[in-house]
Amino acid sequence: ETGVTQTPRHLVMGMTNKKSLKCEQHLGHNAMYWYKQSAKKPLELMFVYSLEERVENNSVPSRFSPECPNSSHLFLHLHTLQPEDSALYLCASSQDLTAARPDTQYFGPGTRLTVL
Amino acid sequence: KQEVTQIPAALSVPEGENLVLNCSFTDSAIYNLQWFRQDPGKGLTSLLLIQSSQREQTSGRLNASLDKSSGRSTLYIAASQPGDSATYLCAPRGQGGKLIFGQGTELSVKP
Repeated sequence: ETGVTQTPRHLVMGMTNKKSLKCEQHLGHNAMYWYKQSAKKPLELMFVYSLEERVENNSVPSRFSPECPNSSHLFLHLHTLQPEDSALYLCASSQDLTAARPDTQYFGPGTRLTVL
Repeated sequence: KQEVTQIPAALSVPEGENLVLNCSFTDSAIYNLQWFRQDPGKGLTSLLLIQSSQREQTSGRLNASLDKSSGRSTLYIAASQPGDSATYLCAPRGQGGKLIFGQGTELSVKP
């Protein structure tokens, strides 16, 4: 398999559930990202990891907990979510965060999350 | 704080037309700018990346220009086709690899 994959593609959960979103990149990249895309809003960056270390947490509520066990995998653990958290969650990767490189971000297909 | 605006928000054209999609950004201190395409309910596909030192990039029927000093980028689509129907997003890249996205232009090309 190539590129960036995300599972599950669709998820429906209640407000008291705990679930996890998974992202895997097969590109040998060092940086990985979580974005949130709500209806009628621009994509919002949530978290950035570089070499498995979190380098950005964009004021995201603690009910979202990221984990990066290695440079190929990124998880987003979900707990006690609210209905307004329903959105498309996109994972992306890039070679690294060095500004000098012409660095394209590659996106996965996303997980469509619905919180009831 | 970087803000990105894309105009128009939506566009519907007959097949074969040449199109111009506009993107403006408030902070010109960018490293590069990417144009993406997003099909409904799907992830993003990178179309073009322009480095801050470049003026334009071309890929097939797509041409993107960048005027960093005035905070503008334009995506030109030649001879549009129904398969071009999608939302087009521009994203300048600032410090730390951070992309800031506009709300996109929703394009519909009618056969």
